[in-house]
Amino acid sequence: NAGVTQTPKFQVLKTGQSMTLQCAQDMNHNSMYWYRQDPGMGLRLIYYSASEGTTDKGEVPNGYNVSRLNKREFSLRLESAAPSQTSVYFCASSEALRGSPREKLFFGSGTQLSVL
Amino acid sequence: KQEVTQIPAALSVPEGENLVLNCSFTDSAIYNLQWFRQDPGKGLTSLLLIQSSQREQTSGRLNASLDKSSGRSTLYIAASQPGDSATYLCASYGGATNKLIFGTGTLLAVQP
Repeated sequence: NAGVTQTPKFQVLKTGQSMTLQCAQDMNHNSMYWYRQDPGMGLRLIYYSASEGTTDKGEVPNGYNVSRLNKREFSLRLESAAPSQTSVYFCASSEALRGSPREKLFFGSGTQLSVL
Repeated sequence: KQEVTQIPAALSVPEGENLVLNCSFTDSAIYNLQWFRQDPGKGLTSLLLIQSSQREQTSGRLNASLDKSSGRSTLYIAASQPGDSATYLCASYGGATNKLIFGTGTLLAVQP
């Protein structure tokens, strides 16, 4: 069972470069999320999507754009990477909507991004 | 401001010991609380989800309890094994803030 698949696993960028992180889930989930994980700060929500074509900003959306292409795929784009965006990025999905008591999250294995 | 705190940050126990991991939260109007496991270099795996109307959940050797009035959740691991070594994170969805807030985790090492 694939679950949530993220690509790439590792990426090194120079300041100002752009890139797109890809995420796909095969569980037919409605909700999809992008998080970043930084030491000592826990996971923080970047963007959320409740369904195809809808996206909402999370706690730290600045510098990022997202696209919910279809029910399976949710991509995260860095238009002009900055050193402050060095982090581990996780995609997640859930059958339930955000804020539902039944909101159980399934995570991908992450992308380790370094911006020099 | 909603906060989720996990103490201790690290814990080392001998194999076979029963142990308790702690999670405290400031927003008593939570919708749910989840416990996750994270292995080095990997994503998070959901272990247990306790909805706000529930008091505990069990899965195998794991038992999680929720006490909203005191702002605490505990994860009990019975008969610990070296394979249980990982970072354990809790996260609660606050009704007052409408956010899912993660703790920074407890790094557990189970010594053979």
